Amino acid sequence: DAGITQSPRHKVTETGTPVTLRCHQTENHRYMYWYRQDPGHGLRLIHYSYGVKDTDKGEVSDGYSVSRSKTEDFLLTLESATSSQTSVYFCAIQITGAPAEQFFGPGTRLTVL
Amino acid sequence: GDSVTQMEGPVTLSEEAFLTINCTYTATGYPSLFWYVQYPGEGLQLLLKATKADDKGSNKGFEATYRKETTSFHLEKGSVQVSDSAVYFCALRTGNQFYFGTGTSLTVIP
Repeated sequence: DAGITQSPRHKVTETGTPVTLRCHQTENHRYMYWYRQDPGHGLRLIHYSYGVKDTDKGEVSDGYSVSRSKTEDFLLTLESATSSQTSVYFCAIQITGAPAEQFFGPGTRLTVL
Repeated sequence: GDSVTQMEGPVTLSEEAFLTINCTYTATGYPSLFWYVQYPGEGLQLLLKATKADDKGSNKGFEATYRKETTSFHLEKGSVQVSDSAVYFCALRTGNQFYFGTGTSLTVIP
């Protein structure tokens, strides 16, 4: 199994506060992704990274920023959390192969009060 | 843009019943197709995959065939078990982006 962890696993925060979620992988995969999962919407891509300092926006990037200063870490920051950002956040890595597939972390449940 | 549409749930079946979860896709080019499963409180796990037209992915008794003519990748299992209760997601990959359906919740009752 690809080693991928997320921290924290659960967080409750207040509206307007900044929040950073961390995704860590142990196998030096190039591509990493952040998704949010909400009822009725499935998974929606927030941002992804294709290398150190190389990132791009996904479908629902407003209000989020990311950073990747090391291959193994991909950080997601909510600059000023809002209640609409209450969700479960999943990190994923792309594992090369035929076909390339995604492997997911265990998720972070974020509640914004 | 590229997208995946899967049947609405929830689906409730008795143990040993036949399962079909429909999935259709829209994509330019030739996507790879996947089914993922999510058990309560966990992340998504790859269930099966297919790379090209007429490929059949299979795993744990589940099967899906890549049908280019109907742009479909329906998930089937001949005899479901209580342990198959989960949410199932159809997905496609084009380039380095993945697109997921909204998920279908399956409950299997003894």
